[in-house]
Amino acid sequence: DADVTQTPRNRITKTGKRIMLECSQTKGHDRMYWYRQDPGLGLRLIYYSFDVKDINKGEISDGYSVSRQAQAKFSLSLESAIPNQTALYFCATAYGDTQYFGPGTRLTVL
Amino acid sequence: GENVEQHPSTLSVQEGDSAVIKCTYSDSASNYFPWYKQELGKRPQLIIDIRSNVGEKKDQRIAVTLNKTAKHFSLHITETQPEDSAVYFCAAAMNSGYSTLTFGKGTMLLVSP
Repeated sequence: DADVTQTPRNRITKTGKRIMLECSQTKGHDRMYWYRQDPGLGLRLIYYSFDVKDINKGEISDGYSVSRQAQAKFSLSLESAIPNQTALYFCATAYGDTQYFGPGTRLTVL
Repeated sequence: GENVEQHPSTLSVQEGDSAVIKCTYSDSASNYFPWYKQELGKRPQLIIDIRSNVGEKKDQRIAVTLNKTAKHFSLHITETQPEDSAVYFCAAAMNSGYSTLTFGKGTMLLVSP
């Protein structure tokens, strides 16, 4: 679904580095989410935003921060990356009950 | 908060067989239960959902059943095909719309030709 895009698609970084993952959408949806996917652990919610002025912590927000720059943009930051933040990260938007996922960003922290 | 358990973690079937994936949830206030399919290397996509006022919902070869009393719901896939091979996630939410989904850990379904 090209309406939800994520950059970068792959990133390798070192412990202690600051990393920003970006999500953009052209769907015009107010609700946006950041998830983390690890093998055997499913999809876990990091942060979510119901509109530009709304930011909420999810299940696993420690070590992460977000910024909702506009309706269309929702960025996830790792202030000081650590190896156990190595994972596949998905951004999603929602309209009605359906969530629409981006293609994912594979992040490796060495 | 809500907790969703999903079983089995892996499921192997022969083409043409049926597959059943089961989930249980902990919060009786949950009333919306979607299922997402994630093909290898792809993003999760919604395939079917059910609300608590409905006991069963079908869409061609897939169906979902809900037992509110027991707090469990299941995905049924009949006449499986190789293209059904994927990871399937169940989820639960207290209210559809302005709430968050709690996902199960996923089931990897492998359909052998």
